[in-house]
Amino acid sequence: AQSVTQLDSHVSVSEGTPVLLRCNYSSSYSPSLFWYVQHPNKGLQLLLKYTSAATLVKGINGFEAEFKKSETSFHLTKPSAHMSDAAEYFCVVSSNNFNKFYFGSGTKLNVKP
Amino acid sequence: GAGVSQSPSNKVTEKGKDVELRCDPISGHTALYWYRQSLGQGLEFLIYFQGNSAPDKSGLPSDRFSAERTGGSVSTLTIQRTQQEDSAVYLCASSLVGGLYEQYFGPGTRLTVT
Repeated sequence: AQSVTQLDSHVSVSEGTPVLLRCNYSSSYSPSLFWYVQHPNKGLQLLLKYTSAATLVKGINGFEAEFKKSETSFHLTKPSAHMSDAAEYFCVVSSNNFNKFYFGSGTKLNVKP
Repeated sequence: GAGVSQSPSNKVTEKGKDVELRCDPISGHTALYWYRQSLGQGLEFLIYFQGNSAPDKSGLPSDRFSAERTGGSVSTLTIQRTQQEDSAVYLCASSLVGGLYEQYFGPGTRLTVT
């Protein structure tokens, strides 16, 4: 079975400092992994995805994530937070037939001026 | 261009009543997904449609839930005999082909069962 654990429900950083949002997954096969972002009163948007190519994946808005099989992790990072990054972030793993997608419970990112 | 639309945006219903939620996917997208987002939870997969193939219904929580997709486009999610635990935001997403293609999400329908 597949599952995703987002280790922090809330993360607060100051503008201009690095962002780290943690995600661990469980999968019985080589997974595909995603990060989605949900801004207040807006729909979910894909940030980036890992599909068994390069383990370091770059996404939109300066975000990137690294797939580490040995640690079963797919943490999301950004070198310097902007106020506009304040949102809820979801880590997602797909089923092996790509029919189903399992979402983590989300991490709310707060960015302080 | 037009994104995924859902209607109604809000629905309040009494326990025991049936409700229908509608999703209009992006034109040309063959894959359509329904999810449920309960308060403080991540999204829970409900059902997946891909073209004319039989849908993957494995995420539907009970036989009170059903969904149809007519003509490979519009989809309706029906909840019969609603219960208070059905209260949630129901999200629809579509993608070009399914699989690992990006899913585009609608704004959701907030269902409240009183």
